[in-house]
Amino acid sequence: DAGVTQSPTHLIKTRGQHVTLRCSPISGHKSVSWYQQVLGQGPQFIFQYYEKEERGRGNFPDRFSARQFPNYSSELNVNALLLGDSALYLCASSTLHRDYLNTGELFFGEGSRLTVL
Amino acid sequence: SQKIEQNSEALNIQEGKTATLTCNYTNYSPAYLQWYRQDPGRGPVFLLLIRENEKEKRKERLKVTFDTTLKQSLFHITASQPADSATYLCALAGPRGNAGKSTFGDGTTLTVKP
Repeated sequence: DAGVTQSPTHLIKTRGQHVTLRCSPISGHKSVSWYQQVLGQGPQFIFQYYEKEERGRGNFPDRFSARQFPNYSSELNVNALLLGDSALYLCASSTLHRDYLNTGELFFGEGSRLTVL
Repeated sequence: SQKIEQNSEALNIQEGKTATLTCNYTNYSPAYLQWYRQDPGRGPVFLLLIRENEKEKRKERLKVTFDTTLKQSLFHITASQPADSATYLCALAGPRGNAGKSTFGDGTTLTVKP
């Protein structure tokens, strides 16, 4: 079975540009979360989407946005890139019941490594 | 806001010994706590989960304890091997047990020397 897939794996942008990162969750998983991981730190929560609706947002500026499609895949968009946006962007899928209680296991993709010059 | 601290950034041990990693948290009472392994340049991989009403959980050479009074979890790898060398992340589940909103520590990098 295919795991969580992310694209692109690596990309280089310059300050002020825009980037779109894509994620396909494990088949059957309706919850997709995005995390930012700066080198030497743990993943930091950006967004969670479930059934195409935003279910949570971390402490990130409005330059960050995301959406989820009917097939549960997701996109993360970052506008007006800053040098500090350079990081590994991780997508994770999980099962999520209607009352938000779930199995507790996150399945991560390999990430998209973004470098902003 | 909730805060997670993992013990020293790096832990070096000899092959065959037991590695013990610590995770402390404040300002939160999680429904459960998770441990992940992350290799350089790769995404985290789930290892174990322990719920608030559990004291200990085992899986092969791995053991996790959870003390909700001390707000601490210990992660043990017995009979360590060089292949266990990686960064280990502790994570607290989000509100109502929502793993999708987990809060992660910065990890402990374990190096097992042959």
